[in-house]
Amino acid sequence: GQNIDQPTEMTATEGAIVQINCTYQTSGFNGLFWYQQHAGEAPTFLSYNVLDGLEEKGRFSSFLSRSKGYSYLLLKELQMKDSASYLCAVMDSNYQLIWGAGTKLIIKP
Amino acid sequence: IAGITQAPTSQILAAGRRMTLRCTQDMRHNAMYWYRQDLGLGLRLIHYSNTAGTTGKGEVPDGYSVSRANTDDFPLTLASAVPSQTSVYFCASSEGQGSYGYTFGSGTRLTVV
Repeated sequence: GQNIDQPTEMTATEGAIVQINCTYQTSGFNGLFWYQQHAGEAPTFLSYNVLDGLEEKGRFSSFLSRSKGYSYLLLKELQMKDSASYLCAVMDSNYQLIWGAGTKLIIKP
Repeated sequence: IAGITQAPTSQILAAGRRMTLRCTQDMRHNAMYWYRQDLGLGLRLIHYSNTAGTTGKGEVPDGYSVSRANTDDFPLTLASAVPSQTSVYFCASSEGQGSYGYTFGSGTRLTVV
């Protein structure tokens, strides 16, 4: 079966760095996505990786290793507004997104 | 409107009743999707449409139906609601099948009692 694993919850301190991991087993691979979802709101697109390596976008970076079925989202200089759930999703061979359950990130002052 | 509009925002529905959740987009995206989101589970695909006039079943289609008469609208119908359909429903769209950067609506919180 297809499976996306990510930690349920993480806590970090304002101004610090946090890494959210995602491992996946899917039928085929056509890219990995990270979305941010604030409580009670819709998910919003953060990043997309299809080749191995690091993609940097401001305070957020996303890394992919296809051979290991592994990705991480790195958030730097954490701000209180970064408190949200972070969703990892993989596009499979049928071009359908398979979603992880999300990681709730709690930022403490 | 800009993006995707869903209606209603929330609804309490008696079991056995019929209900249609509305979804409209103004981005001329070809592909549209309906997901449900439940606590502790990832977004699960109910139905999708890769282009106007076509639809397909996702991971959890039972008890739901959709139609795609035009590019903009993609309604989701619950023919006879059951309590297990209590969830938050998100409509999403993308430029085409396989496109990245899905755009999501703000969601419909449905409670079936």
